[in-house]
Amino acid sequence: EVQLLESGGGLVQPGGSLRLSCAASGFTFSNYAMSWVRQAPGKGLEWVSVITGGSDNTNYADSVKGRFTISRDNSKNTLYLQVNSLRAEDTAVYHCAKNSDGSRYSPSDYWGQGTLVTVSS
Amino acid sequence: DIVMTQSPDSLAVSLGERATINCRSSQSVFYSSKNKNYLAWYQQKPGQPPKLLISWASTRESGVPDRFSGSGSGTDFTLTISSLQAEDVAVYYCQQFYNLPLTFGPGTKVDIK
Repeated sequence: EVQLLESGGGLVQPGGSLRLSCAASGFTFSNYAMSWVRQAPGKGLEWVSVITGGSDNTNYADSVKGRFTISRDNSKNTLYLQVNSLRAEDTAVYHCAKNSDGSRYSPSDYWGQGTLVTVSS
Repeated sequence: DIVMTQSPDSLAVSLGERATINCRSSQSVFYSSKNKNYLAWYQQKPGQPPKLLISWASTRESGVPDRFSGSGSGTDFTLTISSLQAEDVAVYYCQQFYNLPLTFGPGTKVDIK
């Protein structure tokens, strides 16, 4: 059974940083691209970032480019999102999602419950 | 970026009746060399993460009831729930995965009339 468990969220002041983690199990982690998708309270889904299985390709939404960094450790079956220079508009639940194959251009077939990041002074 | 729009914003349908949700992309998401539309549909129930229902515009994921169907090509797509059940109350999103950044539609809320 595929499981994705996010952690690392919390309350942070504007300009602060967090490192989000996603522990994956139930599939061969290194074979799949992985994504982060966020959802602001009461709002829709916003794609944030994607990384291929071997970490050779990463992409970001313009809204987070230069501030967020996606990475993965295939030996630990864990996906990360380093979020820096946080702004109020980054407040959201951040979901880790498994892509349906190794490509960045694929839908997300499994999602974690998410971790809440709240940016406020 | 490819902009995704959905209509209606919300709809209320009687139990057992048909629900139809439309999705339009600002440019074609049909990849001719692969003969596939790079379009997915997700269902999100309150307090839950999204669930992938349909990929490649019309391929139902394993375990998804056959009352859910997807159709369309190019820029215009439809998700149909043929006979609405109480457990189908949710917000439904379309997503294109043809181009980065991947983009979602704004969502359509489905309720029981």
